[in-house]
Amino acid sequence: GNSVTQMEGPVTLSEEAFLTINCTYTATGYPSLFWYVQYPGEGLQLLLKATKADDKGSNKGFEATYRKETTSFHLEKGSVQVSDSAVYFCALATGNQFYFGTGTSLTVIP
Amino acid sequence: DTAVSQTPKYLVTQMGNDKSIKCEQNLGHDTMYWYKQDSKKFLKIMFSYNNKELIINETVPNRFSPKSPDKAHLNLHINSLELGDSAVYFCASSSGDRGRGGYTFGSGTRLTVV
Repeated sequence: GNSVTQMEGPVTLSEEAFLTINCTYTATGYPSLFWYVQYPGEGLQLLLKATKADDKGSNKGFEATYRKETTSFHLEKGSVQVSDSAVYFCALATGNQFYFGTGTSLTVIP
Repeated sequence: DTAVSQTPKYLVTQMGNDKSIKCEQNLGHDTMYWYKQDSKKFLKIMFSYNNKELIINETVPNRFSPKSPDKAHLNLHINSLELGDSAVYFCASSSGDRGRGGYTFGSGTRLTVV
């Protein structure tokens, strides 16, 4: 079946640290992959996406590359800020279904 | 000019009551969804409608009934509310690309049953 597995949190980093949140997927066909971000008290916002193998999605300093060989879509940022504190969800779309990971909470401390 | 709007944002009610949450999208999307997010942030799909027709109906109690009067609206009615229904409910929509372009979410309705 289709599923998304992302690293468990919570993750706590100091400001300007490097961030990696791992995400791997299982899917039939050729899914699209996404990262969503949920800031405290808000809804989910699309952060970035990639629709085919080797595509790199990027936004607000975050990047993720669609790796078909490792079935991964890890989220990275070179230097996190306090304002990046949020819950991050990896997701995939295939067929007419959308699958979310369980979310990874990130807290960035000054 | 909000793309997906839900009302109310907060809802506190007593056990046994019936309540509705409304959702509207102005993106021209043809598919709309309801998700439930529990206290651990886990997102669970509840329903999906495409052009006013139900296409996904996950295992949820039949006290939950979605209604889609047109493709821009998907409301959620809940009968006989229980304590376990307390959660944040998100409405979302997507275009006819089977979600490959991503979903757009509303800001959520925090339901508290006391």
